[in-house]
Amino acid sequence: DTEVTQTPKHLVMGMTNKKSLKCEQHMGHRAMYWYKQKAKKPPELMFVYSYEKLSINESVPSRFSPECPNSSLLNLHLHALQPEDSALYLCASSQLGLVSYEQYFGPGTRLTVT
Amino acid sequence: GQQVMQIPQYQHVQEGEDFTTYCNSSTTLSNIQWYKQRPGGHPVFLIQLVKSGEVKKQKRLTFQFGEAKKNSSLHITATQTTDVGTYFCAGPRDAGNMLTFGGGTRLMVKP
Repeated sequence: DTEVTQTPKHLVMGMTNKKSLKCEQHMGHRAMYWYKQKAKKPPELMFVYSYEKLSINESVPSRFSPECPNSSLLNLHLHALQPEDSALYLCASSQLGLVSYEQYFGPGTRLTVT
Repeated sequence: GQQVMQIPQYQHVQEGEDFTTYCNSSTTLSNIQWYKQRPGGHPVFLIQLVKSGEVKKQKRLTFQFGEAKKNSSLHITATQTTDVGTYFCAGPRDAGNMLTFGGGTRLMVKP
């Protein structure tokens, strides 16, 4: 199984709402990532988890809060977002090691903040 | 910090024409990866190049890694409408797993 799944596919939320994005993989990958992608732009790294521990936070505002409950699951908790946070949020996973491995992306959650 | 640039940003071709996208890094890369993202889709890994001067082929796609390991190219022979999408190169950042993506080249194919 080389699939990364993400839910929901689409999400519309107001600026005062709290919501969560979910990501799951069963490839045994020990690195998991959250990316943000704006239209016609490359994916922009937000967070990296290595062995279920947060290893990289790319200076992401605290209104985004990641969580890795176990080696297969990754969540992104959203609170008090701004309209400019509207984007495609992609989860990815990869093997972990001293060299870089290919990343497997999920289909993404298209988020609209109103 | 490391920068990875791609040209062109956009390319319109007639079906059957060839297409090439170029990727340049500000630093020497240990390897380079290529991804394709279809419209409305997500990035899908195509290939990884590791060795200086390496050339790899996947059917009509030819990938090349420069001798200095600072540039790479993707060439598609006789494009088809199924080739439509954005092609990203990505180089490893610092040690390990983080990638720096190029800006992407958006390919449009007229049937």
